[in-house]
Amino acid sequence: DAKTTQPPSMDCAEGRAANLPCNHSTISGNEYVYWYRQIHSQGPQYIIHGLKNNETNEMASLIITEDRKSSTLILPHATLRDTAVYYCIVTRKGTYKYIFGTGTRLKVLA
Amino acid sequence: DADVTQTPRNRITKTGKRIMLECSQTKGHDRMYWYRQDPGLGLRLIYYSFDVKDINKGEISDGYSVSRQAQAKFSLSLESAIPNQTALYFCATSDISRGDEQYFGPGTRLTVT
Repeated sequence: DAKTTQPPSMDCAEGRAANLPCNHSTISGNEYVYWYRQIHSQGPQYIIHGLKNNETNEMASLIITEDRKSSTLILPHATLRDTAVYYCIVTRKGTYKYIFGTGTRLKVLA
Repeated sequence: DADVTQTPRNRITKTGKRIMLECSQTKGHDRMYWYRQDPGLGLRLIYYSFDVKDINKGEISDGYSVSRQAQAKFSLSLESAIPNQTALYFCATSDISRGDEQYFGPGTRLTVT
């Protein structure tokens, strides 16, 4: 499975868009990009996933570059409740293998 | 996610004791997983099960065992607890026919003294 690289921490002003980057330069053609977040010590929460097209749901948007070597999770209007650790995971759909790195600690500032 | 429940939520036990953590789900998912998380680190997979008759070791299965009693229930046992098994334990479920994203329970905080 492809390795991912994320910045350890980011700050974002409340109400602004939070853009969280992820590098996955060794991604294979059949590997998806998944995003999860973990608020405090709660169970991780699924956010969104995609293969090569940009995706949007009620929580966020996922932008994947054309070469698929990087992606950006966008929280369009960050709130204080979005403060969490965000994990980018690259894996084949149907596999058991999620590799959770240390993620990006996003702090939304009032 | 309220559809995935874990009991107990907190547990303190002594070295050498056997302990069982339980996970139940009402999502109707076929796949279930057990992870542990140590402070400041990501989650690591202990065991996973793709259906009732399928049990597989994950990355860090030594010292643990599991039982899939039904599609909705997956239990994790520590046969003889040791202090370095102090951690947060999470159960998760997924369904390959519905996208296979994983849904996590609220976690069990286990302390082994």
